[in-house]
Amino acid sequence: NAGVMQNPRHLVRRRGQEARLRCSPMKGHSHVYWYRQLPEEGLKFMVYLQKENIIDESGMPKERFSAEFPKEGPSILRIQQVVRGDSAAYFCASSPTSIDEQFFGPGTRLTVL
Amino acid sequence: AQSVTQPDIHITVSEGASLELRCNYSYGATPYLFWYVQSPGQGLQLLLKYFSGDTLVQGIKGFEAEFKRSQSSFNLRKPSVHWSDAAEYFCAVERGSGGGADGLTFGKGTHLIIQP
Repeated sequence: NAGVMQNPRHLVRRRGQEARLRCSPMKGHSHVYWYRQLPEEGLKFMVYLQKENIIDESGMPKERFSAEFPKEGPSILRIQQVVRGDSAAYFCASSPTSIDEQFFGPGTRLTVL
Repeated sequence: AQSVTQPDIHITVSEGASLELRCNYSYGATPYLFWYVQSPGQGLQLLLKYFSGDTLVQGIKGFEAEFKRSQSSFNLRKPSVHWSDAAEYFCAVERGSGGGADGLTFGKGTHLIIQP
């Protein structure tokens, strides 16, 4: 059973461009979480999704950020009009149920020039 | 709101010595608690978790943690560290109502350095 997969592993964008980060959960997992890790910081919760539903997006910035987890395909975290402050590592985690441990992917390291 | 404090930013331990990493949490109900380890450039790996029951929890790689409700603590321990244990360690508490439905709140991490 493959682990949580994220791509790309590294992403470079110029200010004003869009960034799309993809997360494929472990097989059989229908719960997906996105976190952001800034340098020298712990992970900060962004959003919790189940298939086709956003359950909790209280950690998402109100503007420019959106997430989806369609019926088919990976979960997508989308950042529009990126700014330098968006540079961070973005981690996705999945779990089989809502009451279970979360398995983390290797992360996508976003650099905004 | 839930919060997690890891008071030690860096800890240096000699190889073969014992280790204790501190974690204090703020939570209104019985928390779900976790310890994760992160190697440089990697994702997080779960070491152990506490949901309920026995307050001394055994994890992978020889780690254990003890939940102490009276002290709001969930300290991680290992009797004898190995050079491969050098990494960043994160304590986390689940954010929701105790049902594990929400994401996790993480501490800022403790960087563990192993001296030969």
